[in-house]
Amino acid sequence: AQSVTQLDSHVSVSEGTPVLLRCNYSSSYSPSLFWYVQHPNKGLQLLLKYTSAATLVKGINGFEAEFKKSETSFHLTKPSAHMSDAAEYFCVVSDTGFQKLVFGTGTRLLVSP
Amino acid sequence: SAVISQKPSRDICQRGTSLTIQCQVDSQVTMMFWYRQQPGQSLTLIATANQGSEATYESGFVIDKFPISRPNLTFSTLTVSNMSPEDSSIYLCSVVPAGGPEAGELFFGEGSRLTVL
Repeated sequence: AQSVTQLDSHVSVSEGTPVLLRCNYSSSYSPSLFWYVQHPNKGLQLLLKYTSAATLVKGINGFEAEFKKSETSFHLTKPSAHMSDAAEYFCVVSDTGFQKLVFGTGTRLLVSP
Repeated sequence: SAVISQKPSRDICQRGTSLTIQCQVDSQVTMMFWYRQQPGQSLTLIATANQGSEATYESGFVIDKFPISRPNLTFSTLTVSNMSPEDSSIYLCSVVPAGGPEAGELFFGEGSRLTVL
């Protein structure tokens, strides 16, 4: 069975400093992995996805994530945080494409001036 | 990107009543899904809405409680039946566009926030 663990429920950073949101996954097959962002009272937006191509995946708004099979990790990073990055971030895994996505519990990113 | 309209965006309902949520997409999609996000929780897949046939439900969700329709490639409804306060959640429609540059991507609507008193 597939699962995903987001290691931090909250992450606080200052504007202009790096962002690291951690995610570990468990999957029996070669998984697809995603990061979604949810701003308050908004729908979810896809940041980036990994589907067995390059292990370093670049997404929108300067975010990127690296797939590390040996560590079963898919951490999300950004070199410099912006106030507009404050939101809830979900790491998602799937063994079967879009048929069954398994969401992590989310990490709330707080960005202070 | 695919434009997904969900109605209502929010509602307050009385215990024991039912509410139908609509999901309309501006283009044809191959797959449509319904998710639930309980307060402070992550998203859980309720079911896959299949065009012209019964939806495929995930463990813990049943048709009598969450009947779903999908009469065509761009529209689906989810009904929350005989509601209780435990049904207070955000219900999200998600779709995979059938063609164009966004084919194969998964998009989410903004959700329908339901409060049951």
